[in-house]
Amino acid sequence: SQKIEQNSEALNIQEGKTATLTCNYTNYSPAYLQWYRQDPGRGPVFLLLIRENEKEKRKERLKVTFDTTLKQSLFHITASQPADSATYLCALAPPLDIFGTGTRLQVFP
Amino acid sequence: GAVVSQHPSRVICKSGTSVKIECRSLDFQATTMFWYRQFPKQSLMLMATSNEGSKATYEQGVEKDKFLINHASLTLSTLTVTSAHPEDSSFYICSARGGGRGPSSYEQYFGPGTRLTVT
Repeated sequence: SQKIEQNSEALNIQEGKTATLTCNYTNYSPAYLQWYRQDPGRGPVFLLLIRENEKEKRKERLKVTFDTTLKQSLFHITASQPADSATYLCALAPPLDIFGTGTRLQVFP
Repeated sequence: GAVVSQHPSRVICKSGTSVKIECRSLDFQATTMFWYRQFPKQSLMLMATSNEGSKATYEQGVEKDKFLINHASLTLSTLTVTSAHPEDSSFYICSARGGGRGPSSYEQYFGPGTRLTVT
């Protein structure tokens, strides 16, 4: 069955550093991979989508890579800020919409 | 950006009663809506997918007679938890997609969630 894995352990980094989150998947070949941000007690918010034929995509301080050979996506936040602290989810589509369990990022001053 | 609202944000009900949760797309037409539940510190669990005007497709293990989903219009879907029990207490989140083609059609816009507590 299809499976997505994200680091279940929280990632703690210092303000100003680059945060890197990993998303690995198996038994699936998605056309798109998405990243969402979820704050406690709130619904997820869409951040970025990357296509299978794109190796990298950027949006402001965010950068996403997509390696279909390794079946892996990396999500980077540069110059991280305490306001970036949240849980970040990766998701695959289509045809199924599958979400990972998310990685909690904590940025401390 | 696209906005999805949910109502109520919090609800407490007694065991055995039914609760209805509304999900609305405010500034776009949602051809597909999803209902998720999320337990503390766990991932989103897809319960069902609904397309406007047709019956919802439920995920394995989700009782369709217990979790009634109606997607009567392009802007409104409802989830009714019937005969609620304490184990149904959870965070219920809806999302919507506008359809169309291309990668942007796969972006999901989530509601703020509804915290259900069954006593």
